[in-house]
Amino acid sequence: EVQLVESGGGLVQPGGSLRLSCAASGFTFSSYEMNWVRQAPGKGLEWVSYISSSGSTIYYADSVKGRFTISRDNAKNSLYLQMNSLRTEDTAVYYCASPGGNWGQGTLVTVSS
Amino acid sequence: DVVMTQSPLSLPVTLGQPASISCRSSQSLVYSDGNTYLSWFQQRPGQSPRRLIYKVSHRDSGVPDRFSGSGSGTDFTLEISRVEAEDVGVYYCMQGTHWPLTFGGGTKVEI
Repeated sequence: EVQLVESGGGLVQPGGSLRLSCAASGFTFSSYEMNWVRQAPGKGLEWVSYISSSGSTIYYADSVKGRFTISRDNAKNSLYLQMNSLRTEDTAVYYCASPGGNWGQGTLVTVSS
Repeated sequence: DVVMTQSPLSLPVTLGQPASISCRSSQSLVYSDGNTYLSWFQQRPGQSPRRLIYKVSHRDSGVPDRFSGSGSGTDFTLEISRVEAEDVGVYYCMQGTHWPLTFGGGTKVEI
């Protein structure tokens, strides 16, 4: 069974940093591209970032470019999102998503003073 | 960016009756490989999104066959043949043909 488990969310002040993790199991993680998608409270879905299976190709939404960094460790079956210079508008539940249509339960990031 | 426009925003439904959601893209979603990367997601209250349909009309494993997707180019539809109580939630279309990936604004299905 495919499982994606996000962690690392929490309360952070504007300008601060957080690192999200996504632990994958139940599939050959190293063979698949991955995405981060977020959902602000009461709002719709917004794609954040993409990474290819090898990590050689990466894309970001304009709203996070230059502030967020996606990475992966295929040996650890893990996906990461380093978030710097956080803004109040980054407050959201962050999901990792596989191309097979599986999503994790999400981790809440709250940016507030 | 490709804009995905869903309608209606809210869809009151009757149990056992059909329901339909429309999704239109601001440009063609046909990719250079000939595939059309249009997916549908369901988000039940308090849950993570779940993909129902990929590449316009392919149902994901475990998705009831009362859900079907159709369309081409820029115009797509998700249909529920007979609505059940568990279908309540918000439905999103998403295009995966052009970067950045973009979602529709969502359609809230309620009994």
